[in-house]
Amino acid sequence: QKEVEQNSGPLSVPEGAIASLNCTYSDRVSQSFFWYRQYSGKSPELIMSIYSNGDKEDGRFTAQLNKASQYVSLLIRDSQPSDSATYLCAVNRGLTGGGNKLTFGTGTQLKVEL
Amino acid sequence: SQTIHQWPATLVQPVGSPLSLECTVEGTSNPNLYWYRQAAGRGLQLLFYSVGIGQISSEVPQNLSASRPQDRQFILSSKKLLLSDSGFYLCAWRGQLIQFFGPGTRLTVL
Repeated sequence: QKEVEQNSGPLSVPEGAIASLNCTYSDRVSQSFFWYRQYSGKSPELIMSIYSNGDKEDGRFTAQLNKASQYVSLLIRDSQPSDSATYLCAVNRGLTGGGNKLTFGTGTQLKVEL
Repeated sequence: SQTIHQWPATLVQPVGSPLSLECTVEGTSNPNLYWYRQAAGRGLQLLFYSVGIGQISSEVPQNLSASRPQDRQFILSSKKLLLSDSGFYLCAWRGQLIQFFGPGTRLTVL
């Protein structure tokens, strides 16, 4: 079982619709969760972070966390063509000697169609 | 504000040649620094991390090495590149719990 799993997609949604991206993780002790957006040929940029069970909203984005089910999701409302990108789910854990490690899923490709 | 630089942006190297990629961070002190590689069709793989000058931890065995000669400088090196070293190399620094990525170096080994 992969540490962080995502459906690779592509996930196609029409402009203005809600895009729902899902992620599951295997390490029960993980406490911090992140969603990054990566445009083709570019580096990942942080969209959302979530640390507690429930929903966290930021503009058109909502992150949802369910630690009991080991499940994180990202909802994008009113999807725009500029949202077309690969979305990476990342899960944090501490490292011996200090620092922390983000384990990434392979990403879900989102296509927002006109 | 913090800024992270990587160079070069693009690199094409022959198999067996050496490699040196540099990463520098501005606007913060004593950051945790990371090197990741993203190969085609694969996720981001953590290669090395550093919590301070001269402190390097390796996540996976490979023919790459890393060094941190200064507080805000992180270098990725290889003595002899392999075809499998091709990929997108990303440097990152940690601010509290969040990691921020540099612009990356795309390496093609021929």
